[in-house]
Amino acid sequence: AQRVTQPEKLLSVFKGAPVELKCNYSYSGSPELFWYVQYSRQRLQLLLRHISRESIKGFTADLNKGETSFHLKKPFAQEEDSAMYYCALIGLGGGKLVFGKGTKLTVNP
Amino acid sequence: DADVTQTPRNRITKTGKRIMLECSQTKGHDRMYWYRQDPGLGLQLIYYSFDVKDINKGEISDGYSVSRQAQAKFSLSLESAIPNQTALYFCATRAGADTEAFFGQGTRLTVV
Repeated sequence: AQRVTQPEKLLSVFKGAPVELKCNYSYSGSPELFWYVQYSRQRLQLLLRHISRESIKGFTADLNKGETSFHLKKPFAQEEDSAMYYCALIGLGGGKLVFGKGTKLTVNP
Repeated sequence: DADVTQTPRNRITKTGKRIMLECSQTKGHDRMYWYRQDPGLGLQLIYYSFDVKDINKGEISDGYSVSRQAQAKFSLSLESAIPNQTALYFCATRAGADTEAFFGQGTRLTVV
């Protein structure tokens, strides 16, 4: 079964501090992993995916197959990063897209 | 960006009523999804469809049904609405494997 776990419902940091949003997954095969972001009153949008290995808005995420993790990191948080962040997984067949419960990030001035 | 459009945006309905939420897309994607979003529970998959003839149950399909009328349209129905179906519902589309999902604006449904 596919499962995504985001252990932190809420995360609060100060502007300029490093931030790490945790994501662990359960899947027997090779998953595709994504981070989506939802700003206040907006629709969800893709932040980044593990296959592209790119940095978006200063965020990076590395897939660690040994620890089955895909943590999202940013060295210096900005107030505009405040949002809901969802980790997501696509498994066998590339069809079923499953999300974690989300982490609400608040960046304080 | 109106590529994935959900109607209605807001709806209040009474317990026991039948209601349909509609999703249409102009992206030409084959794969379409319905999720509900509840505080603290994140996004839960209700149904997903690979094409018009391929519909699959998600994690929480009980109490819901769907119809894929065309490649561009995917409707979610609540045959007999109940209060714990009060939630924000999202439709999403994907082109295929290794591709990102695009979301609609959401439909806020309240069952009283």
